[in-house]
Amino acid sequence: EAGVAQSPRYKIIEKRQSVAFWCNPISGHATLYWYQQILGQGPKLLIQFQNNGVVDDSQLPKDRFSAERLKGVDSTLKIQPAKLEDSAVYLCASSLDNQETQYFGPGTRLLVL
Amino acid sequence: KQEVTQIPAALSVPEGENLVLNCSFTDSAIYNLQWFRQDPGKGLTSLLLIQSSQREQTSGRLNASLDKSSGRSTLYIAASQPGDSATYLCAVRGSTLGRLYFGRGTQLTVWP
Repeated sequence: EAGVAQSPRYKIIEKRQSVAFWCNPISGHATLYWYQQILGQGPKLLIQFQNNGVVDDSQLPKDRFSAERLKGVDSTLKIQPAKLEDSAVYLCASSLDNQETQYFGPGTRLLVL
Repeated sequence: KQEVTQIPAALSVPEGENLVLNCSFTDSAIYNLQWFRQDPGKGLTSLLLIQSSQREQTSGRLNASLDKSSGRSTLYIAASQPGDSATYLCAVRGSTLGRLYFGRGTQLTVWP
């Protein structure tokens, strides 16, 4: 069974630029999560989708971050404009349902200069 | 708000030692607790999941216990090996639809 795929793996941008990350969850998984992991900290949930609907986006900085999950499968996370403090690893995870074990992708490492 | 703390932040042991990683959480009203492993440059791998009604879970050389009333969990690793070197993260889920709250992790190094 293929795991959670993410791209790109690494991205370096300058502050105020825009960036987008892509995630392809495990086939059949209804729930998709985006986490932000700053160096030395545990992951923090940014947004949770159930199929193509948003379940929890209370910790998403909505003035600059946006996410969508078209057709309830792939998802994209966008930052516009980026700030220095957005430098982090962005992890995507999926699960069969919101009560099940989450499976994580390898993450996208973002550096904002 | 749920706060998750992991002690120690880092641990370095020789191969073969049995070791214990600690996790504490402030709100005992949890749905379940998970232990994850994170290798450098990689995502998280779920090791063990304990439901709130359970006291422990075992997988191979790993054993995780949960004391919900005191807000504590421990991950016991028996006969440690260099391949166990990684960061171990504890996460609690507050409700059936709730998000996972993660600790900062314990960075484990097992040297030959």
